[in-house]
Amino acid sequence: AAGVIQSPRHLIKEKRETATLKCYPIPRHDTVYWYQQGPGQDPQFLISFYEKMQSDKGSIPDRFSAQQFSDYHSELNMSSLELGDSALYFCASSHGWGELQFFGPGTRLTVL
Amino acid sequence: AQSVTQLDSHVSVSEGTPVLLRCNYSSSYSPSLFWYVQHPNKGLQLLLKYTSAATLVKGINGFEAEFKKSETSFHLTKPSAHMSDAAEYFCVVSVSPGTYKYIFGTGTRLKVLA
Repeated sequence: AAGVIQSPRHLIKEKRETATLKCYPIPRHDTVYWYQQGPGQDPQFLISFYEKMQSDKGSIPDRFSAQQFSDYHSELNMSSLELGDSALYFCASSHGWGELQFFGPGTRLTVL
Repeated sequence: AQSVTQLDSHVSVSEGTPVLLRCNYSSSYSPSLFWYVQHPNKGLQLLLKYTSAATLVKGINGFEAEFKKSETSFHLTKPSAHMSDAAEYFCVVSVSPGTYKYIFGTGTRLKVLA
């Protein structure tokens, strides 16, 4: 069965650079969630989209923005990267708002 | 507000012995609860979920969890640990009604000794 696809799987950036993370939900899933997992930490909710509209916002820095496109894929844009942004970024999708979330493999971002 | 507390940050068991990973939740509403497993440098895999049906939930790889409302607990158990069970386990509550974002516990690292 198709799963959530995240790209790239690994990304290395310098401080103050910009990064874009992509998430392709399971086909027919209309809801996307982004989570950030710092080293040795539990995943923290960043932001979610339902039917291309932002549905909730968590502890997402103002330097980050995200959107969901007409094909339901989502992109997380991160600017002015800081060392503390180094983390594993998970995307999850669900078929309907409030339904079971299926997680992607994550994108590991390293900021040098 | 919803939250979960995982009572043990590390648990060590011998191979073939029972596993118990403890989780307590706090929720103003009837919660949806999950257990996820994360192997080193891997993604999150759903073990099982509770969504107000049967209180004893069976998951994959021989794991099960029992929802106890009176104790606000959702402990994860397995009768016999296997070396491949060594991983980080997260108890998760879904925030509802509203946004349905997942709130993760701080995780329990399970070590299985040969």
